[in-house]
Amino acid sequence: GAGVSQSPSNKVTEKGKDVELRCDPISGHTALYWYRQSLGQGLEFLIYFQGNSAPDKSGLPSDRFSAERTGGSVSTLTIQRTQQEDSAVYLCASSRPAGGRHAYNEQFFGPGTRLTVL
Amino acid sequence: ELKVEQNPLFLSMQEGKNYTIYCNYSTTSDRLYWYRQDPGKSLESLFVLLSNGAVKQEGRLMASLDTKARLSTLHITAAVHDLSATYFCAVVLNTGTASKLTFGTGTRLQVTL
Repeated sequence: GAGVSQSPSNKVTEKGKDVELRCDPISGHTALYWYRQSLGQGLEFLIYFQGNSAPDKSGLPSDRFSAERTGGSVSTLTIQRTQQEDSAVYLCASSRPAGGRHAYNEQFFGPGTRLTVL
Repeated sequence: ELKVEQNPLFLSMQEGKNYTIYCNYSTTSDRLYWYRQDPGKSLESLFVLLSNGAVKQEGRLMASLDTKARLSTLHITAAVHDLSATYFCAVVLNTGTASKLTFGTGTRLQVTL
């Protein structure tokens, strides 16, 4: 009955290194979202998964960012060649599919991963 | 492009006072959420507003939605210190079965004695 979990909770890396951030959604939630929260940009959408496919990647800021989801569950957000402007808190959310009793498929957020690029 | 504006950005209020946070959005939307965020913590859902004229209340917080004006308000009654946090409104932009959220800038609320 756990909520959305994310790991690591904190990540400090050097500029130019690659990082992987992990999200475990609530069991049974088919939709998964990644958001980023930074001082300069506020909270912004990155990418959305329905099952294992990503119909909306419109928020990914550059081609250094990618994400995948396997087994309709865990998702990994990868940032290659990190830059200082990538420093932010990366939030994951999950929701049930729309329709039926869950017509307004509320999103439940994880605790986030704080990424610091030195 | 959907834009969501909140004001004020920062609000310092005394305990016991009332105040309102405003959230304006630029295009038609299905629903609007209010979230609370404590420092270093994630987002906690407070309210979901689904239709014009919707009003929800929980304790000292009351949220309302006017879809014609594209405006939501979060009213705080007789503030207490425990309400100190950052409050975000978020508007849903539906794309197929996706419901990605577009967030306002947030209002940092500080309740003082």
